[in-house]
Amino acid sequence: DQQVKQNSPSLSVQEGRISILNCDYTNSMFDYFLWYKKYPAEGPTFLISISSIKDKNEDGRFTVFLNKSAKHLSLHIVPSQPGDSAVYFCAATPFGNEKLTFGTGTRLTIIP
Amino acid sequence: KAGVTQTPRYLIKTRGQQVTLSCSPISGHRSVSWYQQTPGQGLQFLFEYFSETQRNKGNFPGRFSGRQFSNSRSEMNVSTLELGDSALYLCASSFQGLAGANEQFFGPGTRLTVL
Repeated sequence: DQQVKQNSPSLSVQEGRISILNCDYTNSMFDYFLWYKKYPAEGPTFLISISSIKDKNEDGRFTVFLNKSAKHLSLHIVPSQPGDSAVYFCAATPFGNEKLTFGTGTRLTIIP
Repeated sequence: KAGVTQTPRYLIKTRGQQVTLSCSPISGHRSVSWYQQTPGQGLQFLFEYFSETQRNKGNFPGRFSGRQFSNSRSEMNVSTLELGDSALYLCASSFQGLAGANEQFFGPGTRLTVL
């Protein structure tokens, strides 16, 4: 039972444009969401998080949007840079719980 | 501040053997979690330790176990290795402060190959 889904296995975006990565979840107990970036042979790197009391959180070029009624979140990267090419995972958990449930990842490729 | 460190980085074992992986969290972090990453199953939660106690457990067989020491360092052990245990094992630490929700910071992982 895939409780966190990233339906796009891959995404290619031109450098300088906006990258939008999507994530859906089914478990209503999830109220804290995180995005991680992963390069090959490295552990995931934390990017940004959002709790269910908010619908938007920004950190530099990264913005996460949360639509609780649709159980959907998205990560926007503006502008996209070549160094953003990586696999992006969304993860979810009940607030205060360290057990993260991950999506299957989206491979983002930024085209110079 | 040094990041999460994991040793060894690479390991090759044969079926039936056992293995112990080590994780040193970021200084001051009290929670350590372990994840298994495989191409077919993605990143899956194994267990979490806080103050030397297992606080959360994923859906893995009893062959997978772990422990945490008083200095927050953690080890995980896999006994009677199977071919399907070949994976990247990731350790993550978090501060677990009063706010409750804490971002987890991952180590580079240990790549285990079972032959």
